Amino acid sequence: AQSVAQPEDQVNVAEGNPLTVKCTYSVSGNPYLFWYVQYPNRGLQFLLKYITGDNLVKGSYGFEAEFNKSQTSFHLKKPSALVSDSALYFCAAYTGGFKTIFGAGTRLFVKA
Amino acid sequence: DGGITQSPKYLFRKEGQNVTLSCEQNLNHDAMYWYRQDPGQGLRLIYYSQIVNDFQKGDIAEGYSVSREKKESFPLTVTSAQKNPTAFYLCASNTGGVNTEAFFGQGTRLTVV
Repeated sequence: AQSVAQPEDQVNVAEGNPLTVKCTYSVSGNPYLFWYVQYPNRGLQFLLKYITGDNLVKGSYGFEAEFNKSQTSFHLKKPSALVSDSALYFCAAYTGGFKTIFGAGTRLFVKA
Repeated sequence: DGGITQSPKYLFRKEGQNVTLSCEQNLNHDAMYWYRQDPGQGLRLIYYSQIVNDFQKGDIAEGYSVSREKKESFPLTVTSAQKNPTAFYLCASNTGGVNTEAFFGQGTRLTVV
């Protein structure tokens, strides 16, 4: 079965430190991968996507993600975390037929 | 401004009642989606629609119904057959291509009282 896994329920990081939110995927064919962010009681906002090409994808708000085909991973990164980055982050993969599957989400806490 | 509007933001339903959640988009997107979000489970697809007058069941369609009479609108009805309807419901849309991200509404929180 196709799936997206986010192995960490929560990530804690100090403001100014680099952050990584992990994602691994299992999809058939070429992977189309996405990261979204959700603030409390709000909808999801698109951050970035990998379709093809460069393995390092840059997105909104200083976030980037590294695609690694051999490890089937698509980890979200940011060089210097801000308190305002605290939110719920979802990794997602397009699986065909207009369907996208989402990971369970990782809650990021950035401490001042 | 272009976007997706969901209403109401909060909705309370008595057991045995049907309720309808509204979703409207002015992005001219062909595809629209309804997701259910529960804590720790991510988003699960309820129904989706690729074009007007056509829609498909997602992974958890039981107890829900939809219609797509207009391109802009994709209302979701939560019926009394849905045994555990308390959740956060998200509507989304995109152009439908394989590499297009989804745009989400602000969500409706449904609580059964």
